[in-house]
Amino acid sequence: NAGVTQTPKFQVLKTGQSMTLQCAQDMNHEYMSWYRQDPGMGLRLIHYSVGAGITDQGEVPNGYNVSRSTTEDFPLRLLSAAPSQTSVYFCASMNIAANEQFFGPGTRLTVL
Amino acid sequence: GDSVTQMEGPVTLSEEAFLTINCTYTATGYPSLFWYVQYPGEGLQLLLKATKADDKGSNKGFEATYRKETTSFHLEKGSVQVSDSAVYFCALDSSNYKLTFGKGTLLTVNP
Repeated sequence: NAGVTQTPKFQVLKTGQSMTLQCAQDMNHEYMSWYRQDPGMGLRLIHYSVGAGITDQGEVPNGYNVSRSTTEDFPLRLLSAAPSQTSVYFCASMNIAANEQFFGPGTRLTVL
Repeated sequence: GDSVTQMEGPVTLSEEAFLTINCTYTATGYPSLFWYVQYPGEGLQLLLKATKADDKGSNKGFEATYRKETTSFHLEKGSVQVSDSAVYFCALDSSNYKLTFGKGTLLTVNP
């Protein structure tokens, strides 16, 4: 049982490049989400999904796309990276019955 | 909208000292309240939670009580250890599992 896994751990992009941050969970959780963590700002919700085929925007969705084709995977796409997207990104999945969210180890992204 | 305010850090303590990290919140309805801990280089882990007024969450010697009258959820530990050094986040969930986090408090415990 690996929990929530994220790849890559580190990434450097140039402005305008695109990339996908991968997130997978093996706990059969319906609810998954993406947060970004910036110094002095805590974590902020980007997008979330309540199940396969269903996604919605969080607090800071601009510049990011998501899809949820399977229960296990919830990738986050940056179509045209900007320096303002330099951050640490965390994926989470939730055991709704226990009201507990499980976080992945994070992806540290730098956009030059 | 929802918000969480927690004490500014960093907090530096000696081993076996008493710890309090203050957390207050603003939310509609009756949110669930959480404390998460982030060790260096890792993701967040749930430390404890409380889902209704006067509930006390506890784990690993840490405690926090849901105080509706003061809209607070202060984290306490009677005797901290070096291994407790981490960033602590207070958070709430008032609508459909979307967490609102405080800014985090860095705790350093010296031997």
